[in-house]
Amino acid sequence: AQTVTQSQPEMSVQEAETVTLSCTYDTSESNYYLFWYKQPPSRQMILVIRQEAYKQQNATENRFSVNFQKAAKSFSLKISDSQLGDTAMYFCAFMQDAAGNMLTFGGGTRLMVKP
Amino acid sequence: ETGVTQTPRHLVMGMTNKKSLKCEQHLGHNAMYWYKQSAKKPLELMFVYSLEERVENNSVPSRFSPECPNSSHLFLHLHTLQPEDSALYLCASSQVGQVDFYGYTFGSGTRLTVV
Repeated sequence: AQTVTQSQPEMSVQEAETVTLSCTYDTSESNYYLFWYKQPPSRQMILVIRQEAYKQQNATENRFSVNFQKAAKSFSLKISDSQLGDTAMYFCAFMQDAAGNMLTFGGGTRLMVKP
Repeated sequence: ETGVTQTPRHLVMGMTNKKSLKCEQHLGHNAMYWYKQSAKKPLELMFVYSLEERVENNSVPSRFSPECPNSSHLFLHLHTLQPEDSALYLCASSQVGQVDFYGYTFGSGTRLTVV
């Protein structure tokens, strides 16, 4: 079974600075998908960024980028120019293949952006 | 209405009550999911419906009973719950079976309190 581990339960960053959230996973598969979701106090889980394992290029979405290290099974999220609205829980998630039947989540990292 | 809608937003019920949670997706997706989110625990997958058939049960107690009458609607029927069932219940949808997978779209959840 796949497992996803987020080793940082809580983090904080000053507004406008950069922060990196860590995620490691365990799988024997070679093709899979990785995601970062954000859950603000409104409770809705919002997709931040997505990475396909067969693509070596790291995904980027505006201020959000990932450092995908396939051999190390590491998938960290970098948030640049942090904004107060980035305050939320962040979840790393793993999907085995395009069948899409089970998205496995890590335990989450609570990020606080301070003014 | 767009995205994934969950009702009610909050629910307080006694242990002997029967209630239902409703989820509706307006995205044309072909799979829907129920997740349970408890404090200090990773998200737990409860049920998966793909093409209106239940694919994954994940050993959920029988006091939780899902129903998926069509690809747009998903219900979670609750009866004789326990206080430890108090949690945020999240519904999600996705499009499965294609070449690529783009993740789940989540609703805002139902906050359930069992008294």
